[in-house]
Amino acid sequence: QITLKESGPMLVKPAETLTLTCSFSGFSLNSDGVGVAWFRQPPGEALEWLALIYWNDDKRYSPSVKNSLTISKDTSQNRVVLTMTNMGPVDTGTYYCTHNVLEYASGTSYSDYWGQGTPVTVSS
Amino acid sequence: DVQMTQSPSTVSASVGDRVTITCRSSLNVNRWVAWYRQRPGEAPKLLIYETSTLHTGVPSRFSGSGSGSEFTLTINNLQPEDFASYYCQQYNFDSYTFGQGTKLEIK
Repeated sequence: QITLKESGPMLVKPAETLTLTCSFSGFSLNSDGVGVAWFRQPPGEALEWLALIYWNDDKRYSPSVKNSLTISKDTSQNRVVLTMTNMGPVDTGTYYCTHNVLEYASGTSYSDYWGQGTPVTVSS
Repeated sequence: DVQMTQSPSTVSASVGDRVTITCRSSLNVNRWVAWYRQRPGEAPKLLIYETSTLHTGVPSRFSGSGSGSEFTLTINNLQPEDFASYYCQQYNFDSYTFGQGTKLEIK
């Protein structure tokens, strides 16, 4: 059974750095074709993809926030960490991590299992 | 960047009805489209990937079709748990863009 759980601060101040951890079980990030992605959802709005890391340490970032993001993995601890610098009020929302399955035909992946999400508010 | 446009934004239906949601992409995304259901206060759940493949455990009343730039999600015999928001997502490009969502309400 695949499960993921996000953790991190619920409140950050503007210009601070946000660090979120995705702890997972039921799969290994050493397995071919497996990835972990991060998404966010502002209150009442649609979903937005942020970053993705694959078993082979290939990393992908959303062009709109690429300069502020870093994704990394710790396979021994079954964790993926996302850091986002220079947070602003527009970054308020619920942040999700997901288990991703690589489609070799496209070189991209889809998210088949989602964590419960963690809310983040950016405010002074 | 590729845009995904869903219609309608809101749809009202009754238990037992059939509903179709459409998603159009601004670029050709081949067959790499997924559909998610999100109930209020919950995380999204995968329903369909690769346009028409049902995810494990998803009831057969859900179906998907399309190719290129136009895709549909059809839900037959609506159940109470289906009244939620639905999102399409393209994963042909490394931007993984979503539609703006369709809210399925009880009539």
